[in-house]
Amino acid sequence: AQKITQTQPGMFVQEKEAVTLDCTYDTSDPSYGLFWYKQPSSGEMIFLIYQGSYDQQNATEGRYSLNFQKARKSANLVISASQLGDSAMYFCAMREGDDYKLSFGAGTTVTVRA
Amino acid sequence: GAVVSQHPSWVICKSGTSVKIECRSLDFQATTMFWYRQFPKQSLMLMATSNEGSKATYEQGVEKDKFLINHASLTLSTLTVTSAHPEDSSFYICSAAGYEQYFGPGTRLTVT
Repeated sequence: AQKITQTQPGMFVQEKEAVTLDCTYDTSDPSYGLFWYKQPSSGEMIFLIYQGSYDQQNATEGRYSLNFQKARKSANLVISASQLGDSAMYFCAMREGDDYKLSFGAGTTVTVRA
Repeated sequence: GAVVSQHPSWVICKSGTSVKIECRSLDFQATTMFWYRQFPKQSLMLMATSNEGSKATYEQGVEKDKFLINHASLTLSTLTVTSAHPEDSSFYICSAAGYEQYFGPGTRLTVT
């Protein structure tokens, strides 16, 4: 079974608008961490935000926020005030227990329109 | 944040030759590093987990004799693609485990 599911292959968003990228996960380990990465066309993986399974509050990092709904096993990324430089592929990933290994979703390509 | 480098950033080689890719953690020691492969517009596929001083752990379906991994020190892991063929052309990314995984910038391999 897929551990991380990203159902949106691609999305278009108007500059300055907000966009939500969906991510659902599957694990039986009570301790896990959820990550979002941005991958522009250059290929580098840029860490955006992290949410731990025991964190009580949703994580926020500047224009990025994570909508963590534990009961629904979802960890959606919200990008506010989109900029042209936000155009990239975005990956949701999960780490389980003490294992450093990450499971990645299929990714969502975001294109920001001027 | 922690910095991971990869060398080379891109390489073109002829079919049948071998090519080595280096992954270095520049400002921290990493006992565990990971090697990924990524095809265009697809996700990262974990190839193997590289552990300093021991044999790498390969994911199912990855040929260990074709993709040789050596983690000789706490700051260096290498991936050697042996007898490369055009189907090995891909983007290879390494990461080093610290508090989180820190990714290298990737190596684009083209086999002609």
